[in-house]
Amino acid sequence: AQSVAQPEDQVNVAEGNPLTVKCTYSVSGNPYLFWYVQYPNRGLQFLLKYITGDNLVKGSYGFEAEFNKSQTSFHLKKPSALVSDSALYFCAVRDGGSSNTGKLIFGQGTTLQVKP
Amino acid sequence: IAGITQAPTSQILAAGRRMTLRCTQDMRHNAMYWYRQDLGLGLRLIHYSNTAGTTGKGEVPDGYSVSRANTDDFPLTLASAVPSQTSVYFCASRSPGLAGTGELFFGEGSRLTVL
Repeated sequence: AQSVAQPEDQVNVAEGNPLTVKCTYSVSGNPYLFWYVQYPNRGLQFLLKYITGDNLVKGSYGFEAEFNKSQTSFHLKKPSALVSDSALYFCAVRDGGSSNTGKLIFGQGTTLQVKP
Repeated sequence: IAGITQAPTSQILAAGRRMTLRCTQDMRHNAMYWYRQDLGLGLRLIHYSNTAGTTGKGEVPDGYSVSRANTDDFPLTLASAVPSQTSVYFCASRSPGLAGTGELFFGEGSRLTVL
């Protein structure tokens, strides 16, 4: 069975500092990994994904994520946080070997709070 | 471009009543999904449809049903609502991608309270 874990309920960072939101996963085949962001009272928006290739993936709004197969992690990063980055972030995984086409399993979510 | 439209935005419902949450997309995506979002549990898949005319069960399908008569519409029905179905419900569609790797597009959500 596939699963994904976000070990931190909340991450606090000062504006201008680098940020990291952690995600680890478990799949039986090759992982397809995604990050989504949710602003208050809104639906989720796609940020970036890793399917294959370069382990460092760049996405929207200056975010990037690094795929680490040995640590089964896909941490979201940004070099310099903005107050407007404050939101709820979800990591999601799909087992590339699964026959259940396209079904994503989401983590519990991590609230990012960027303070001025 | 509307994307995914959900209705109603919010609803208070008496236990035992039947409720249908509507979802319509204008992107002609084949795959569609219904998730519920609960604090501390993230998003959990209720039902999905890979193409018009087919549906499948997700992680938490009990008490819910779906239909997919055409590409654009994917309604979710609660036959007899219970308080544990109080949640925020999100409909999503998936853009085309090799082996299901396309990203999901989400609606704005339907907040349902069952009393």
